[in-house]
Amino acid sequence: AQSVTQLGSHVSVSEGALVLLRCNYSSSVPPYLFWYVQYPNQGLQLLLKYTTGATLVKGINGFEAEFKKSETSFHLTKPSAHMSDAAEYFCAVRRSSASKIIFGSGTRLSIRP
Amino acid sequence: GAGVSQSPSNKVTEKGKDVELRCDPISGHTALYWYRQSLGQGLEFLIYFQGNSAPDKSGLPSDRFSAERTGGSVSTLTIQRTQQEDSAVYLCASSSGTWKEKLFFGSGTQLSVL
Repeated sequence: AQSVTQLGSHVSVSEGALVLLRCNYSSSVPPYLFWYVQYPNQGLQLLLKYTTGATLVKGINGFEAEFKKSETSFHLTKPSAHMSDAAEYFCAVRRSSASKIIFGSGTRLSIRP
Repeated sequence: GAGVSQSPSNKVTEKGKDVELRCDPISGHTALYWYRQSLGQGLEFLIYFQGNSAPDKSGLPSDRFSAERTGGSVSTLTIQRTQQEDSAVYLCASSSGTWKEKLFFGSGTQLSVL
């Protein structure tokens, strides 16, 4: 079975500080991994994805994530937080090309001025 | 259409009543998902349709929940004998079906069971 664990339901950082949102997965095979973002009063949209190849993946708005197989992790980072980054972030995993996509419980990111 | 369309946007119903939620995916998208979003619970997978394959119903929480997809396009999620714990936002998403492709989400249906 596949599952996703997001550590920290709420993360608060100061504007300009590093953003680190944690995601760990369990999968019997190397999975496909995604981060989605939900801005206030908006629908979910894809931030970035890892499928194959380079383990460091860059997404929109300066975010990036690194697939670490040995740690079964896919943490999301951004060097310098901006007020507009305040949103709910969801990590997701897909075990194979034919399987469903499972989402984590989400992490709400708040940015302090 | 331009995006994934869900209707109604809001639904208030009484406990014990049946409800139907509709999803119109993006034209040509072969994959369609239903998720449930409850406060503090993240996105709970309900059901996954992929082309003509048998749907993955492993996420449906009880036999009161069912979904169908007619003609490979529009999907309807039906909840029978609604309970208060069914109150949530029900999200539909579609994709082109290739495994790399991102999901496009609808705005959801806010279901409130009184």
